[in-house]
Amino acid sequence: QKEVEQNSGPLSVPEGAIASLNCTYSDRGSQSFFWYRQYSGKSPELIMFIYSNGDKEDGRFTAQLNKASQYVSLLIRDSQPSDSATYLCAVSPLFSGNTPLVFGKGTRLSVIA
Amino acid sequence: EADIYQTPRYLVIGTGKKITLECSQTMGHDKMYWYQQDPGMELHLIHYSYGVNSTEKGDLSSESTVSRIRTEHFPLTLESARPSHTSQYLCASSEPQGAKDGYTFGSGTRLTVV
Repeated sequence: QKEVEQNSGPLSVPEGAIASLNCTYSDRGSQSFFWYRQYSGKSPELIMFIYSNGDKEDGRFTAQLNKASQYVSLLIRDSQPSDSATYLCAVSPLFSGNTPLVFGKGTRLSVIA
Repeated sequence: EADIYQTPRYLVIGTGKKITLECSQTMGHDKMYWYQQDPGMELHLIHYSYGVNSTEKGDLSSESTVSRIRTEHFPLTLESARPSHTSQYLCASSEPQGAKDGYTFGSGTRLTVV
């Protein structure tokens, strides 16, 4: 059973701080990793993807991947109240394979003004 | 503009009725998915498809069916709605795994069975 684990939260951070969201996965063969943001009552939207070990930065967001530790994280710098949402980690079991993404249960982030 | 559309947006229906939730995408994606999600809870994969005439069951498929006659269209049917089906249903599509786009989700159908 392939699993993706996330702390459900809520994770509360003050406005302007760095929010750190973590995700671990069980399938060592996983190749592609995605972070989705889901506002309450809305659909998930893709905000970051990463394939290679290391860091990937996009604006205020940084995704970090460590395949040896089977760990992927999302950092949000200068957190804003508008970042308050549930963040879903998703893992692709095979690169270009025919297996659906495995989603974590999500971490609820609350940015306090 | 390429997008993925779900109709209806909201549906209230009586127990025992047959319902079909519509999902269409204009991106030419081969892969499409149906998820069920209760408020504040995790996504559950119901069905998925890798192309025309291809359908696979997910974790929560036993009470619904899907069809994929056209690439752009992936409807979900509940033969006999029950109150336990009350939930949000999300459709998604994707390029082959590994492509940077990941999944694109529709706006969802919020179903209430009374």
